[in-house]
Amino acid sequence: EPEVTQTPSHQVTQMGQEVILRCVPISNHLYFYWYRQILGQKVEFLVSFYNNEISEKSEIFDDQFSVERPDGSNFTLKIRSTKLEDSAMYFCASTVNSFYEQYFGPGTRLTVT
Amino acid sequence: GDSVTQMEGPVTLSEEAFLTINCTYTATGYPSLFWYVQYPGEGLQLLLKATKADDKGSNKGFEATYRKETTSFHLEKGSVQVSDSAVYFCALSDLDSGAGSYQLTFGKGTKLSVIP
Repeated sequence: EPEVTQTPSHQVTQMGQEVILRCVPISNHLYFYWYRQILGQKVEFLVSFYNNEISEKSEIFDDQFSVERPDGSNFTLKIRSTKLEDSAMYFCASTVNSFYEQYFGPGTRLTVT
Repeated sequence: GDSVTQMEGPVTLSEEAFLTINCTYTATGYPSLFWYVQYPGEGLQLLLKATKADDKGSNKGFEATYRKETTSFHLEKGSVQVSDSAVYFCALSDLDSGAGSYQLTFGKGTKLSVIP
């Protein structure tokens, strides 16, 4: 069964460094999402992406964040200058149509020190 | 804005016990409702869903009924197994919120541990 994959599973970085989190969505899916979960808190929507552009973003998704689909298979989330409060589990999701079930990856745990 | 509130965990039950995890929501439109499950080391998986009032979603012995009058979508299972140990997330997608991408709004998650 096709699945969403994410790399790395765990990333440790120093404050102020740039990180790129990678996702490979399911191949025939058209809508892509990033969510995050700070430890002990809710899973929060960050951004959605369709037709090579951001379709919606939350107030969390400020200028430090960007997304890209560089090669038709990967979907990346970049944080330009990480802060301590960016430490969280980041989930990628994709769906064939926005009405349908979103399929989630296993997540990347980002630790900013 | 939209929000989901679910009961705090962790919940510890003995095998074959009855499970209820409460979930209530607020939404500006007429949302679809979901339960997602996360097994240790894995991603979020859709467990069940309901798209309109009085719909009952069911899967793997779990059930939840969309109650518009009480804005609730409680998860139930008659007899839990050790393999049901996981974190359960209630979520909604508000089709009338004006957002075209139908992002999910999640509750905080409830950790269930089932002991033999």
